[in-house]
Amino acid sequence: DAGITQSPRHKVTETGTPVTLRCHQTENHRYMYWYRQDPGHGLRLIHYSYGVKDTDKGEVSDGYSVSRSKTEDFLLTLESATSSQTSVYFCAMGQQGRDTEAFFGQGTRLTVV
Amino acid sequence: SQQGEEDPQALSIQEGENATMNCSYKTSINNLQWYRQNSGRGLVHLILIRSNEREKHSGRLRVTLDTSKKSSSLLITASRAADTASYFCATGQDSNYQLIWGAGTKLIIKP
Repeated sequence: DAGITQSPRHKVTETGTPVTLRCHQTENHRYMYWYRQDPGHGLRLIHYSYGVKDTDKGEVSDGYSVSRSKTEDFLLTLESATSSQTSVYFCAMGQQGRDTEAFFGQGTRLTVV
Repeated sequence: SQQGEEDPQALSIQEGENATMNCSYKTSINNLQWYRQNSGRGLVHLILIRSNEREKHSGRLRVTLDTSKKSSSLLITASRAADTASYFCATGQDSNYQLIWGAGTKLIIKP
């Protein structure tokens, strides 16, 4: 929890509207990640960033875009929200895939109605 | 794609008993990690085991890794009510900077 925060924590939005979720970290980590978590699934990677302005797609990136204009902030945008994007979204920091742990935010529960 | 698959999906035991969860994966890995998620919270790292390690301990946690069977187990000894949570395994590969996650085991400790 320490060093990484997500906002908002809860959001209800209407179908077709754009939505931006924010992840903020104070640990100067180069790598940041956005995941979604749905019942019956583990975490699924949406996008990740390996530096300012450097981002790459994950396995479920359709309908999502990201931006990283400074090290501490990683934004996830749902360009036109759909009901299938109702989910809990988690941000994480730390270089994954190597011998290091990931640090997670508290999550954002997004409901698209 | 889901790399790790936890087994069982749900486990309910009495406080004080040991809890064992298993994780299987499909491709070669450089490490395997276990995380805990309390209801409505983010994930918290528990333990990491490297591909050249076979067993690791941390407090009441014991993790084993069998790369020949592509499987790992997490043992929690002397369970407590506070251990009630979902537990996830995640694998790291040399080829990218991502973790691949299983769907998790929901553990309930009954007082």
